[in-house]
Amino acid sequence: DADVTQTPRNRITKTGKRIMLECSQTKGHDRMYWYRQDPGLGLQLIYYSFDVKDINKGEISDGYSVSRQAQAKFSLSLESAIPNQTALYFCATSDSTSGANVLTFGAGSRLTVL
Amino acid sequence: KQEVTQIPAALSVPEGENLVLNCSFTDSAIYNLQWFRQDPGKGLTSLLLIQSSQREQTSGRLNASLDKSSGRSTLYIAASQPGDSATYLCAVKGNSGYALNFGKGTSLLVTP
Repeated sequence: DADVTQTPRNRITKTGKRIMLECSQTKGHDRMYWYRQDPGLGLQLIYYSFDVKDINKGEISDGYSVSRQAQAKFSLSLESAIPNQTALYFCATSDSTSGANVLTFGAGSRLTVL
Repeated sequence: KQEVTQIPAALSVPEGENLVLNCSFTDSAIYNLQWFRQDPGKGLTSLLLIQSSQREQTSGRLNASLDKSSGRSTLYIAASQPGDSATYLCAVKGNSGYALNFGKGTSLLVTP
């Protein structure tokens, strides 16, 4: 099993629908992140969480919300999806005690908003 | 804001060649720099991490260097193989904050 699991892997939805992307990890890491990848734009940080009670906005948080249900679970929600949220979404984890902050990524969730 | 640039955007080489991928960043106050590999339909895999106090890191056929003062890092791949074909991403972590700033990547194709 993958260390960082994202569900769903692919999702097609319509404008205005609510969408949740889920992420779970077995690494035991305390920090979790959601990134968005668009062709030609690289990865951009949406939200990050340093522990269950700590949630922070990243570079492009507008239109998104997150929930850290447990240390191992971090979900990303689009309350009302719009076409320019079509992208590849990655969840990542890191261990604050390691010092190096090496990220472990999930395989990605491809979202298409029609 | 830290800007990370990767050149070239795409590269095609025959198998066996040694090659260099370039990454530049605008703010030299970095904590560390990472090189990632991304295969189509898959996530990112961390290849090498260089702390700001280090000059280079090696792993197998990969060698990454860091010149903080000039805002540059290179990823050297020796004796390239078709299995090296992927997109390579450079990411910089600043001294303040938490986020990684990613470049747009270099798409590498190694032909048999």
